[in-house]
Amino acid sequence: DVKVTQSSRYLVKRTGEKVFLECVQDMDHENMFWYRQDPGLGLRLIYFSYDVKMKEKGDIPEGYSVSREKKERFSLILESASTNQTSMYLCASSHRQEGRTQYFGPGTRLLVL
Amino acid sequence: AQSVTQLDSHVSVSEGTPVLLRCNYSSSYSPSLFWYVQHPNKGLQLLLKYTSAATLVKGINGFEAEFKKSETSFHLTKPSAHMSDAAEYFCVVSEGGYNKLIFGAGTRLAVHP
Repeated sequence: DVKVTQSSRYLVKRTGEKVFLECVQDMDHENMFWYRQDPGLGLRLIYFSYDVKMKEKGDIPEGYSVSREKKERFSLILESASTNQTSMYLCASSHRQEGRTQYFGPGTRLLVL
Repeated sequence: AQSVTQLDSHVSVSEGTPVLLRCNYSSSYSPSLFWYVQHPNKGLQLLLKYTSAATLVKGINGFEAEFKKSETSFHLTKPSAHMSDAAEYFCVVSEGGYNKLIFGAGTRLAVHP
């Protein structure tokens, strides 16, 4: 069965803290993605990776960075958390081929105080 | 650039009546289109996808969608709503290489007894 897991379901951090969100997939997928979800805006792509150590900016990369040292793991890093980064963060993965289904993790709800 | 417009932010139906969630897309070439569903406090689940085969696509839980190129639409329908269908639904288009997804803003479906 397809599985994408995220390290935390809920997280509370203070402004200025460095925050790590971890995502692991067990499907040997090449592509991995980080989105944030906000009411009325749908999901917006932050960063994605199409291979180990490769990364590409999405639509809203400012204030974020990512790391992909192993194929199954993709980390999202908030270098200095700010209140406007309070959101739901969703990780997804897919096979490389265009049009292939993305499989999503359960999400991490982050609150920055 | 590709984009997706979900024409209704909220839809309310009675149990047992038909469901129609409307989606229009813009794409410079033949797109891959998806509908995802998100139940409260859950991750996104694929309902169905269109990838240039049959224009009428059947998905899980009795949902289906019809790809109409002339109208650039991909509306989601179900003949008879069930209480468990209450959720948020996202229309999605796949863009170019790396299987990037562009999400609509979402439609929240409420089902009343």
